[in-house]
Amino acid sequence: DSGVTQTPKHLITATGQRVTLRCSPRSGDLSVYWYQQSLDQGLQFLIQYYNGEERAKGNILERFSAQQFPDLHSELNLSSLELGDSALYFCASSTGQANNEQFFGPGTRLTVL
Amino acid sequence: GENVEQHPSTLSVQEGDSAVIKCTYSDSASNYFPWYKQELGKRPQLIIDIRSNVGEKKDQRIAVTLNKTAKHFSLHITETQPEDSAVYFCAASDPYNFNKFYFGSGTKLNVKP
Repeated sequence: DSGVTQTPKHLITATGQRVTLRCSPRSGDLSVYWYQQSLDQGLQFLIQYYNGEERAKGNILERFSAQQFPDLHSELNLSSLELGDSALYFCASSTGQANNEQFFGPGTRLTVL
Repeated sequence: GENVEQHPSTLSVQEGDSAVIKCTYSDSASNYFPWYKQELGKRPQLIIDIRSNVGEKKDQRIAVTLNKTAKHFSLHITETQPEDSAVYFCAASDPYNFNKFYFGSGTKLNVKP
């Protein structure tokens, strides 16, 4: 157990819908990262937050948005869902200090039908 | 931005043999290189990392080497066991945001008993 929690574990929805994925970082970690992993693919970096502020953006679609709240948990919002959005979404956290390990949560498996 | 390439994409070895996975990076300012192991359906977990002021690091059957001049680093697993079967990802830190990693595309290692 990494100490990073993600809910829900599985999510099945229809095209055009909107979903929210939730992540709670390890106690004391200030940085949160979101990654998308499609079937048999690598880890695509989406976005990073540090202490409530957006720090870096990757290949995140305009239909996707995220935020980090004052209690440091983070939410990833996916809207106008398409079949191709079906993937495993991982949240990771780190202390926010340079070159520190990122601890991954168990992931949320999103299936868009 | 940083570009990390990883080879091979799949690797099959006999139990007891050694396995080597190689990665190259593009930005010489990157200074932290973690390796993650992802078992099927599970979260990525850090197995070893190396910083740019070190050329080699070993932890039991796992070792990582770094050649800063050539901008490549490698993971070495000796005396492979079936439980080593997984996908391995290399990563390099973003030179301008040391909290952010660029991941390679992954190597699927299969250790045959």
